[in-house]
Amino acid sequence: KAGVTQTPRYLIKTRGQQVTLSCSPISGHRSVSWYQQTPGQGLQFLFEYFSETQRNKGNFPGRFSGRQFSNSRSEMNVSTLELGDSALYLCASSLGSARDADIQYFGAGTRLSVL
Amino acid sequence: AQTVTQSQPEMSVQEAETVTLSCTYDTSESNYYLFWYKQPPSRQMILVIRQEAYKQQNATENRFSVNFQKAAKSFSLKISDSQLGDTAMYFCAFMKPPTGNQFYFGTGTSLTVIP
Repeated sequence: KAGVTQTPRYLIKTRGQQVTLSCSPISGHRSVSWYQQTPGQGLQFLFEYFSETQRNKGNFPGRFSGRQFSNSRSEMNVSTLELGDSALYLCASSLGSARDADIQYFGAGTRLSVL
Repeated sequence: AQTVTQSQPEMSVQEAETVTLSCTYDTSESNYYLFWYKQPPSRQMILVIRQEAYKQQNATENRFSVNFQKAAKSFSLKISDSQLGDTAMYFCAFMKPPTGNQFYFGTGTSLTVIP
């Protein structure tokens, strides 16, 4: 069974640009969550999508957005990039049960560098 | 809001020895889940162990076990017979159903196993 796939692995952008990251979950998983990982702030929750709907949202500005497609693949978009957006962006997929604690399976991440 | 604290940024242990990583959390909830995730240098986060708050019995997975003290809001991870492959960042995480998959992570402990 293939794991969670994130593309691209590395990205270099300049301030003011926008970027789109992609996440393909494990087959059969309907929930996709996104996290930002930085040395200073650690892992911070961005948002979760389930069945094409945003189910949970963290405390990030509106420049960070996402969507999920009918095949559960998800994209995250960051507009008007700032230097502080440089981070490792992790995607995690799970079955999506809201009643019990799903096990989240993580991708290898996309390293975004903003110059 | 839930907070998770890992007070040991770095730790080291001799191969074959035992090491304990600390984690405390703050919540007013009674039903929740706690996790330890491992992030090796390859960056892929891997679930180590999971504990349901309503279970008094401490979870174990082979060489990994936890000491869950609900009243003290403490959730430490014990690694027995440490192996070189255990070298990684270890993150403690909290999740409260039925909020979906919004995880709160600690800042991590970098563990180095010394041969």
